[in-house]
Amino acid sequence: GENVEQHPSTLSVQEGDSAVIKCTYSDSASNYFPWYKQELGKRPQLIIDIRSNVGEKKDQRIAVTLNKTAKHFSLHITETQPEDSAVYFCAASDGGATNKLIFGTGTLLAVQP
Amino acid sequence: DTEVTQTPKHLVMGMTNKKSLKCEQHMGHRAMYWYKQKAKKPPELMFVYSYEKLSINESVPSRFSPECPNSSLLNLHLHALQPEDSALYLCASSPNPYGGGNTEAFFGQGTRLTVV
Repeated sequence: GENVEQHPSTLSVQEGDSAVIKCTYSDSASNYFPWYKQELGKRPQLIIDIRSNVGEKKDQRIAVTLNKTAKHFSLHITETQPEDSAVYFCAASDGGATNKLIFGTGTLLAVQP
Repeated sequence: DTEVTQTPKHLVMGMTNKKSLKCEQHMGHRAMYWYKQKAKKPPELMFVYSYEKLSINESVPSRFSPECPNSSLLNLHLHALQPEDSALYLCASSPNPYGGGNTEAFFGQGTRLTVV
């Protein structure tokens, strides 16, 4: 089955700096890669996603890149703000009969003001 | 309505109790999920319903019993739980169980369960 690894587990940056979180996946059939942000005590919220027919996607200060050959994808946050502080999870899915999402282990991002 | 709603938000139950968690969505999504999340861990898939039929059971103990009465509702019946079952239980839904373009999963706010 699919296995998703995520690094780093914690990341501390200064406000205004960029943050990068990286994930690798094992199943070449995976074709959908969402990123979720989870603030303390709240639900995971989808912030951006990418499908396997696209190499990069951007939405304001966040972007995701996908390298299908290497089976890795990354989240990039520019001009970080304190409200970006949260746990970020990557996930992978084969979008098949079950649309089963397998999550990475999470990255705790702390943006220092 | 673009939300997944879960009730109750918090639940404390004894090991001999029977309780149910409820999840509701009115987005027309045909896949619904139960996830379990322990502190500082990622959500862990428990069950998947596709078109109101159970399509995946991730080897979950029988003390957890899911039910999907209709396309908008998902229940999780709890019986004889153990303290280690204490966790945040998240419901999610997505538009199309068979993949394709719409595979986004939207999560409810969760039920924080404590078993005493």
